[in-house]
Amino acid sequence: QKEVEQNSGPLSVPEGAIASLNCTYSDRGSQSFFWYRQYSGKSPELIMFIYSNGDKEDGRFTAQLNKASQYVSLLIRDSQPSDSATYLCAVNNGGNTGKLIFGQGTTLQVKP
Amino acid sequence: DTAVSQTPKYLVTQMGNDKSIKCEQNLGHDTMYWYKQDSKKFLKIMFSYNNKELIINETVPNRFSPKSPDKAHLNLHINSLELGDSAVYFCASSQGGNRNTIYFGEGSWLTVV
Repeated sequence: QKEVEQNSGPLSVPEGAIASLNCTYSDRGSQSFFWYRQYSGKSPELIMFIYSNGDKEDGRFTAQLNKASQYVSLLIRDSQPSDSATYLCAVNNGGNTGKLIFGQGTTLQVKP
Repeated sequence: DTAVSQTPKYLVTQMGNDKSIKCEQNLGHDTMYWYKQDSKKFLKIMFSYNNKELIINETVPNRFSPKSPDKAHLNLHINSLELGDSAVYFCASSQGGNRNTIYFGEGSWLTVV
């Protein structure tokens, strides 16, 4: 079992729709969770982080965490073509090294 | 100002050669990392240094040797390059700890021919 799993996609949504990206993780001791966006040929950039169960909203983005189910998701409201990218879920399993374990990423395509 | 900068951005080299990638961060972070992203886009940690001390050393061939002359710099030297080493290598930095964001450099595209 992979430590962090994502559906590689592609996930295709029409412009203006809600895109839902999902991630599961295997280590119950994981304490912090991050979503990165990576455009083709570019480096990953942080979108959001979440530490506590529940929802966290930032503009059009909402991260959702359910530690009991070992599940974290990212919702993108009013999706735009510029949101088309690969979204990487990353998990810190509690170590103070700051080491992140990444999923394989989900490719999102937003069609005009 | 680029927060995490690495050079070279592109590198094409022949099998068996030795090459280095340099990285510098101006964020004042204590921790630096090398991540490797393969052709399937899977991003995996290789090494991490905290204040010049090696704290993470994943299962990486001995041909890869990181060096941190100070906490703002982390270089990666690769000996006897193999075809399978072709990948994008990302340098990154953070304040460390389990809640601190990792910031990535622009990546170094290594192609071994």
